[in-house]
Amino acid sequence: DTGVSQNPRHKITKRGQNVTFRCDPISEHNRLYWYRQTLGQGPEFLTYFQNEAQLEKSRLLSDRFSAERPKGSFSTLEIQRTEQGDSAMYLCASSPMGSNQPQHFGDGTRLSIL
Amino acid sequence: QKEVEQDPGPLSVPEGAIVSLNCTYSNSAFQYFMWYRQYSRKGPELLMYTYSSGNKEDGRFTAQVDKSSKYISLFIRDSQPSDSATYLCAIRIAAGTSYGKLTFGQGTILTVHP
Repeated sequence: DTGVSQNPRHKITKRGQNVTFRCDPISEHNRLYWYRQTLGQGPEFLTYFQNEAQLEKSRLLSDRFSAERPKGSFSTLEIQRTEQGDSAMYLCASSPMGSNQPQHFGDGTRLSIL
Repeated sequence: QKEVEQDPGPLSVPEGAIVSLNCTYSNSAFQYFMWYRQYSRKGPELLMYTYSSGNKEDGRFTAQVDKSSKYISLFIRDSQPSDSATYLCAIRIAAGTSYGKLTFGQGTILTVHP
């Protein structure tokens, strides 16, 4: 399968703990995106990379959130000092370069805060 | 007011029916329009992608864009039980600082019963 891969699929943690998610984009896709989706809502944009450069961050991305893409390939999203409100599905998407290229999504990491 | 409005449904139709799903948007800078299908506990799957007013057809699916009314639609012909899912519209601008960001509707839950 050559689609977007996300790990883990499900993460359960206690409030206050740090968590890290990984996203492996489709091979040769230069652009990588993170979204958050809560129950009954559409995904909300968090941040966007072009190669290793983080080009945009949403106001939803508080100081407790950090995303990296150090070699322009896979990306990690870390949440520090998790809160109940962080419970959501975290989705990663990727796309090739080009002004009209659509984004392809992975199956997400579901985060549950106890 | 949200930038993209979508009726969450739920929508229930008999097998074989024609389904009409709709979104409205407020920002005239939006230029690219997508429809995604999302099954439970899965990531969004791209169905249709267009950047011009008018109709685009792919098998049983037709996407329609009316930029003058800021209104987009997805039609599903001969609906099947396997079409039961949440349908998300997604829109983005053509260029600028928010170039990478998709803005999603809330999603419409569709059930096609045999």
